[in-house]
Amino acid sequence: GNSVTQMEGPVTLSEEAFLTINCTYTATGYPSLFWYVQYPGEGLQLLLKATKADDKGSNKGFEATYRKETTSFHLEKGSVQVSDSAVYFCALSDGLTNAGKSTFGDGTTLTVKP
Amino acid sequence: KAGVTQTPRYLIKTRGQQVTLSCSPISGHRSVSWYQQTPGQGLQFLFEYFSETQRNKGNFPGRFSGRQFSNSRSEMNVSTLELGDSALYLCASSPGFETDTQYFGPGTRLTVL
Repeated sequence: GNSVTQMEGPVTLSEEAFLTINCTYTATGYPSLFWYVQYPGEGLQLLLKATKADDKGSNKGFEATYRKETTSFHLEKGSVQVSDSAVYFCALSDGLTNAGKSTFGDGTTLTVKP
Repeated sequence: KAGVTQTPRYLIKTRGQQVTLSCSPISGHRSVSWYQQTPGQGLQFLFEYFSETQRNKGNFPGRFSGRQFSNSRSEMNVSTLELGDSALYLCASSPGFETDTQYFGPGTRLTVL
């Protein structure tokens, strides 16, 4: 079955540091890949997505590239802010056979200190 | 467009009781999915409904059930509650096709005492 593996957290960075959160996946076919962010007490918000190999998703300074050869979708940001502190989830959707069902990684908690 | 809404936001129940959670999707979305989020198990897929039919189901016992109405609103029911059912229950909606992004509601926090 499908699975997503995220780097273990928590991750603590100073403001303006570079962020990388690793994500690798196992899936049949050609899944779409997503990064979601969850702030305390809230649901998940879509951060970015990519639907095919070599696509780059980007939003609010965050980027991730769909790498089929390494089955990876690592999240990066060049300069983090305190407001980026949250839990980040990598996810995949194999819409063809599993419509409406996303598989999530365990989440990585990011804390950014001033 | 209004986002996904879930009611109630918080619930406290005792073991053995049953509970019904409600989800209203984004207007025009026909797919509603339910997830359970716990610190130990992370986000786990419960089931998905599309046009009033259950299209996908996760690996949860039969105590967990759901339904979808003709206006795409969905309800999830848990019978004979157990302590381990304490979790954040998240609902997500999408138009319902292959690569559609899911849009999540704020969740219902269920505590079973």
